[in-house]
Amino acid sequence: AQSVTQPDIHITVSEGASLELRCNYSYGATPYLFWYVQSPGQGLQLLLKYFSGDTLVQGIKGFEAEFKRSQSSFNLRKPSVHWSDAAEYFCAVGRPFWGNTGKLIFGQGTTLQVKP
Amino acid sequence: EAGVTQFPSHSVIEKGQTVTLRCDPISGHDNLYWYRRVMGKEIKFLLHFVKESKQDESGMPNNRFLAERTGGTYSTLKVQPAELEDSGVYFCASSQDRVYEQFFGPGTRLTVL
Repeated sequence: AQSVTQPDIHITVSEGASLELRCNYSYGATPYLFWYVQSPGQGLQLLLKYFSGDTLVQGIKGFEAEFKRSQSSFNLRKPSVHWSDAAEYFCAVGRPFWGNTGKLIFGQGTTLQVKP
Repeated sequence: EAGVTQFPSHSVIEKGQTVTLRCDPISGHDNLYWYRRVMGKEIKFLLHFVKESKQDESGMPNNRFLAERTGGTYSTLKVQPAELEDSGVYFCASSQDRVYEQFFGPGTRLTVL
């Protein structure tokens, strides 16, 4: 069965430090890959997505992610974290040609805390 | 442009009662999705509407859950009767086509006592 793993449930970084959130997926082919962020009281906001092509994807708010097929990973990165980045981050997978459904499979989420 | 809205934001009910959650998608979005996050677990897909038709309801946990989308606009998700394990956050999302660019609402937090 398809699955998404975010190994880190909780991460704390200092403001200005770099960030990497890990995501691994289990699927027989290259799926569609997504990162979402949820700030308190808000809905999930799409940060970036990968469908095909260039494996380094740029997103909003200064985030980027790199797809590595050999490692089945899609890690999210940011060079310098701001206090406003404190939120919960979700990696998700969608499978092309999965019938006609837009079903997404999510990881468990990583909560990011930013220290001043 | 208004985003996806959900009502209520919170609901607290007793076991055995009925609750109806509502989702208003972004205007013009034919695709509407329901997801659920039980405490400490991942967000899980419940079902997908295309207009008023159920495209995929493979994630619906059991027949206590009934989703409808009248006229292809807003959607309701009814839980009857509610059980303790139904507690969690119910998210709704909508998209204009099937490129997975789903826009999520803020969620409804359901607590069953």
